[in-house]
Amino acid sequence: ETGVTQSPTHLIKTRGQQVTLRCSSQSGHNTVSWYQQALGQGPQFIFQYYREEENGRGNFPPRFSGLQFPNYSSELNVNALELDDSALYLCASSQSRPFSTLIYEQYFGPGTRLTVT
Amino acid sequence: AQRVTQPEKLLSVFKGAPVELKCNYSYSGSPELFWYVQYSRQRLQLLLRHISRESIKGFTADLNKGETSFHLKKPFAQEEDSAMYYCALSPYSGAGSYQLTFGKGTKLSVIP
Repeated sequence: ETGVTQSPTHLIKTRGQQVTLRCSSQSGHNTVSWYQQALGQGPQFIFQYYREEENGRGNFPPRFSGLQFPNYSSELNVNALELDDSALYLCASSQSRPFSTLIYEQYFGPGTRLTVT
Repeated sequence: AQRVTQPEKLLSVFKGAPVELKCNYSYSGSPELFWYVQYSRQRLQLLLRHISRESIKGFTADLNKGETSFHLKKPFAQEEDSAMYYCALSPYSGAGSYQLTFGKGTKLSVIP
């Protein structure tokens, strides 16, 4: 069983550019959540995907968008990058079942460090 | 809107001393509460959650709804407990999934 993986590890972009970050879920997981962690802050929820559909969104503008694929891997896209987008982007996968009373643990990836100059 | 407050950025204790990491929350409903830990050069991982009422690595946390707190405690600190600790909250979505709101974290340093 492999854990959550993210690519790339780090990248540098210029203000105004667009970026795509990738996440592979842990085997058997159908839900992916994305978080932004600025320096010195806790992770902040961006959005969550469940079975290829958005299942909740945090307080982020529409230029943050995502996709989930049939194999449950996911992408985070950010358009028109701003300096404040510089952060560590974390992906977490979990297993979800509608109407379940159980809570399933989220497993985090190592993150992608994005620097916007 | 929900919020999680961890008032201490850094907490230093001697090995063998008791540890208490504070967490207060604000949320209008009944939240699920968690503690996450990040050891040096490792990824963020779940330490414990209030619903399971278990003790992990000697740590416990009790949900106090009256004081809206979920403090993390351990009676005797060990050097390997040195890490970054995040308190997190989620409304229960009904699908077994949850969307976490994190505090800013407390760095615990255990002095040998």
